[in-house]
Amino acid sequence: QSALTQPPSASGSPGQSVTISCTGSSSDVGGYNYVSWYQQHPGKAPKLLIYEVSKRPSGVPDRFSGSKSGNTASLTVSGLRAEDEADYYCGSYANINNLMFGGGTTLTVL
Amino acid sequence: QVLLQESGPGLVKPSETLSLICGVSDYSISSGHFWGWIRQPPGKGLEWIGSIYHSGTTYYNPSLKSRVTVSLDTSKNRFSLEMTSVTAADTAVYYCGRPLLRGSLDAFDIWGQGTMVTVSS
Repeated sequence: QSALTQPPSASGSPGQSVTISCTGSSSDVGGYNYVSWYQQHPGKAPKLLIYEVSKRPSGVPDRFSGSKSGNTASLTVSGLRAEDEADYYCGSYANINNLMFGGGTTLTVL
Repeated sequence: QVLLQESGPGLVKPSETLSLICGVSDYSISSGHFWGWIRQPPGKGLEWIGSIYHSGTTYYNPSLKSRVTVSLDTSKNRFSLEMTSVTAADTAVYYCGRPLLRGSLDAFDIWGQGTMVTVSS
């Protein structure tokens, strides 16, 4: 199975907003509202930022927001901070009882 | 606070079987969640391997299904991964994880620290 498609890199200056896309198909991202986003710092386990497209787990700042249109989901990081520099992965439920991840996007805070 | 801890050999020979255990602390694995395995080759992205429900129902990545078994050990409050016929392509950090919501397959909010497994002779 092919991974969901993410841009390999993204960047922004402190205080700015950055949006990372995640493109799939009608069999995964477009077909279900089960898209999640993770942040991963080097050498660490991923951290869940967003689930069910736009919901935030307890403790995740509202600077992180998620949305979806058609087969593409997006993660927006507002008010960029130095500690937001990390790798970001999207994930989605897929046909049938399957999970897929994106290839990852490295976010650089300039 | 729920804690997950992976354990197992860090080196496996090609064609042999990779076996890992995920110990679960401060939470019963019989409590209505899925429990899953995810891996990450060096410098690459995440790949879901498979998950098991508290009832024992299993779901696997179609690309790995023929080589993978995930099982529960409720007496020891842990679950395990077996992957047969490994090759160098199976070299990765292996994570165990638990989704945020009961009954949900996705959205892992609890992760182990990960264990590096190298396939080499």
